[in-house]
Amino acid sequence: KAGVTQTPRYLIKTRGQQVTLSCSPISGHRSVSWYQQTPGQGLQFLFEYFSETQRNKGNFPGRFSGRQFSNSRSEMNVSTLELGDSALYLCASRNQQRTRSTAGELFFGEGSRLTVL
Amino acid sequence: AQKVTQAQTEISVVEKEDVTLDCVYETRDTTYYLFWYKQPPSGELVFLIRRNSFDEQNEISGRYSWNFQKSTSSFNFTITASQVVDSAVYFCALSGFSNAGNMLTFGGGTRLMVKP
Repeated sequence: KAGVTQTPRYLIKTRGQQVTLSCSPISGHRSVSWYQQTPGQGLQFLFEYFSETQRNKGNFPGRFSGRQFSNSRSEMNVSTLELGDSALYLCASRNQQRTRSTAGELFFGEGSRLTVL
Repeated sequence: AQKVTQAQTEISVVEKEDVTLDCVYETRDTTYYLFWYKQPPSGELVFLIRRNSFDEQNEISGRYSWNFQKSTSSFNFTITASQVVDSAVYFCALSGFSNAGNMLTFGGGTRLMVKP
């Protein structure tokens, strides 16, 4: 079974630009969530999507947005990039068919490492 | 608000030593989940265990064991007879029952280095 796939793995942008990151979840997983990992702030929850609807959102500015498609693939977008947006962006998917027994059991991709210059 | 604290930022041990990773949490939720994840150098987090707040039974899985104590708001992780392959960053995390574990609050992580 293929794991969570994130593209691109590495990218470099300059301040003011925008970026779109893509995530393909494990087949059959309909919940996709995004996390930002930085040395200073650690791992922080960005948002979670289920069946194309944003279900939960973390405490990030409106420059961070996301969406989910009917095939459960998800994208996140960061507009007007700032130096502080340099981070590893991790996508995770989850099997929602048995809620309690899989609660929090997220399958993570290897992440997209964004560097903002 | 929820908070997870992993006071040990880095631990170094020699292979075959036992090591305990500490985790202390704060939450106003009466029911919640606690988790441990492992992050190897490749970057992806790997799920290790989940505990429900109403289940304080300790758990052992091979060389891994977990000690959940609600009275002290702690959920510690012990690796027995550590191996070089255990070297990674370990994260403790917390989630309220209401969002069914879809929104995790992570601690800062503990980097474990196991030397041969």
